[in-house]
Amino acid sequence: GEDVEQSLFLSVREGDSSVINCTYTDSSSTYLYWYKQEPGAGLQLLTYIFSNMDMKQDQRLTVLLNKKDKHLSLRIADTQTGDSAIYFCAGDGSSNTGKLIFGQGTTLQVKP
Amino acid sequence: DAGVTQSPTHLIKTRGQQVTLRCSPKSGHDTVSWYQQALGQGPQFIFQYYEEEERQRGNFPDRFSGHQFPNYSSELNVNALLLGDSALYLCASSSLFSVMGFDEQFFGPGTRLTVL
Repeated sequence: GEDVEQSLFLSVREGDSSVINCTYTDSSSTYLYWYKQEPGAGLQLLTYIFSNMDMKQDQRLTVLLNKKDKHLSLRIADTQTGDSAIYFCAGDGSSNTGKLIFGQGTTLQVKP
Repeated sequence: DAGVTQSPTHLIKTRGQQVTLRCSPKSGHDTVSWYQQALGQGPQFIFQYYEEEERQRGNFPDRFSGHQFPNYSSELNVNALLLGDSALYLCASSSLFSVMGFDEQFFGPGTRLTVL
């Protein structure tokens, strides 16, 4: 089965860029996702990338996908204190199965 | 639109008891998935319901069962609770045949289950 791994913690200063990394073992995912979880809340979809793309930009968010290395990253430009949260990468394993496979999450701490 | 709602918010049970968690999907969605999120971990897929049937199941024992009703709402039942069942249980809804071409799942806030 698929395994998804993330670094556990990242601390940045407000205004800096944040880069959250994710590696996965199974390359069969059609889509790869980034979710954000704030305390006491469910998961919010931030962005996603189709597996045949290398990069996707969405306002302050940039997703990079390196299929050869099975590496996914999320860059947040001009990080704000409101970006402090846990970030999860996830893959769908294969198209439209409905089963998302999540990493263990990266806690992003943004210092003023 | 109320989004995905779950009840109760918190629940405390003792070992061996049974629990039922409830989920109402986002308006227009027909598919409900359940995830278990242990403390400090990512969510793990339990199962998914579509048209009142279990469509896919993760690696969870038969103590975990579910149901989907004609109005698309869903229940998760856990029998013979163990201490290790303590977790945040997340419900996610989606539309099986999404026009977006991918299965965006909208998550509820979760039910925090504590087993003593």
